[in-house]
Amino acid sequence: AQSVTQLDSHVSVSEGTPVLLRCNYSSSYSPSLFWYVQHPNKGLQLLLKYTSAATLVKGINGFEAEFKKSETSFHLTKPSAHMSDAAEYFCVVTPASNTGKLIFGQGTTLQVKP
Amino acid sequence: EAGVAQSPRYKIIEKRQSVAFWCNPISGHATLYWYQQILGQGPKLLIQFQNNGVVDDSQLPKDRFSAERLKGVDSTLKIQPAKLEDSAVYLCASSLSPGPADTQYFGPGTRLTVL
Repeated sequence: AQSVTQLDSHVSVSEGTPVLLRCNYSSSYSPSLFWYVQHPNKGLQLLLKYTSAATLVKGINGFEAEFKKSETSFHLTKPSAHMSDAAEYFCVVTPASNTGKLIFGQGTTLQVKP
Repeated sequence: EAGVAQSPRYKIIEKRQSVAFWCNPISGHATLYWYQQILGQGPKLLIQFQNNGVVDDSQLPKDRFSAERLKGVDSTLKIQPAKLEDSAVYLCASSLSPGPADTQYFGPGTRLTVL
């Protein structure tokens, strides 16, 4: 079965420093992978997605992620954190059936300190 | 472009009562999803519609949950009777078509508290 594991439940960084949110996936095929962000009292928003094209994917707000098949990882990075980046981040995978169903990780809370 | 609309935003009920949630997807989106997000967890798919037909309801507790999408546009999700463990945020999402190529857009959710 397909699944994702977010390795940190909580990450704290200072404003202006790099962000790294880690995600490993489990899949017997080449999956589609996503990162979604959820700000308090707001809906989930797609940050970026990987669908078997370029392995380095650029998303909105300066975020990017690299698909590494050998490491089964899809880590999310940003060179410089902004206060507005504080939110919950979800790594997501689609199952082999490709019906559109999304399988979410447990989430990582990103705290940005001034 | 208007986003996915959901109502109500908040609902508090007693256990064993019934409750219904409403979702209006983005215009033209054929695929509609209902997810359940329990506090501290990622969302879990309950049911997926393609137009007015069900594609996947494998994780819907059918003894108490039901959903419909009449005319392939709006959708309602009902719980009857509610249990304490149903306390969660219920998220509706829509996309042009199923599959990872089309982005799923999420509504703000309905926060349900069962006392």
